Amino acid sequence: QKEVEQNSGPLSVPEGAIASLNCTYSDRGSQSFFWYRQYSGKSPELIMSIYSNGDKEDGRFTAQLNKASQYVSLLIRDSQPSDSATYLCAVRMDSSYKLIFGSGTRLLVRP
Amino acid sequence: DVKVTQSSRYLVKRTGEKVFLECVQDMDHENMFWYRQDPGLGLRLIYFSYDVKMKEKGDIPEGYSVSREKKERFSLILESASTNQTSMYLCASSFPAGANVLTFGAGSRLTVL
Repeated sequence: QKEVEQNSGPLSVPEGAIASLNCTYSDRGSQSFFWYRQYSGKSPELIMSIYSNGDKEDGRFTAQLNKASQYVSLLIRDSQPSDSATYLCAVRMDSSYKLIFGSGTRLLVRP
Repeated sequence: DVKVTQSSRYLVKRTGEKVFLECVQDMDHENMFWYRQDPGLGLRLIYFSYDVKMKEKGDIPEGYSVSREKKERFSLILESASTNQTSMYLCASSFPAGANVLTFGAGSRLTVL
């Protein structure tokens, strides 16, 4: 079993819709959770972090964490074609420098 | 803005060659990392360094070594390149307190023939 799992997609949504990206992780000791965005041919960039159960909102982005279910998600409201990218979920245990990345979900926002 | 600069965007090497991938950051970050990214496998950590001359193995260190002689520079070395090392290599850096906030370089796409 992979440590961090994501559906590879592509997830296709129309412009203006809500895109929902999901991630599950295997280590119950994980404490820190991140979403990175990677445009084609570019390097990843951090867009959201979440550390406690519940929702965290930043503009059009909302990260949701459920540690009991070992599940973290990213919602993108009012999706724009410029949101089309691969979204990487990353997880870290507090005792480690290491971030464990999922393989990413490719999002396509149709105009 | 933090800049992480990787010296080569594209490299083509032959099997058995020694390959150096260089990475330089300009924000005095203590932590530096080398990842490789392959389709369907995501980013996998090869090595990381938390201080000058300090290094720790990541998840896939076999076939690689690293060097960190100066704080700003972290080099990845392929002693004898093999075709299964064809990949995108990403360097990243961070402060220790913000170890999760990685700033990545643009990547080096290595092809081994």
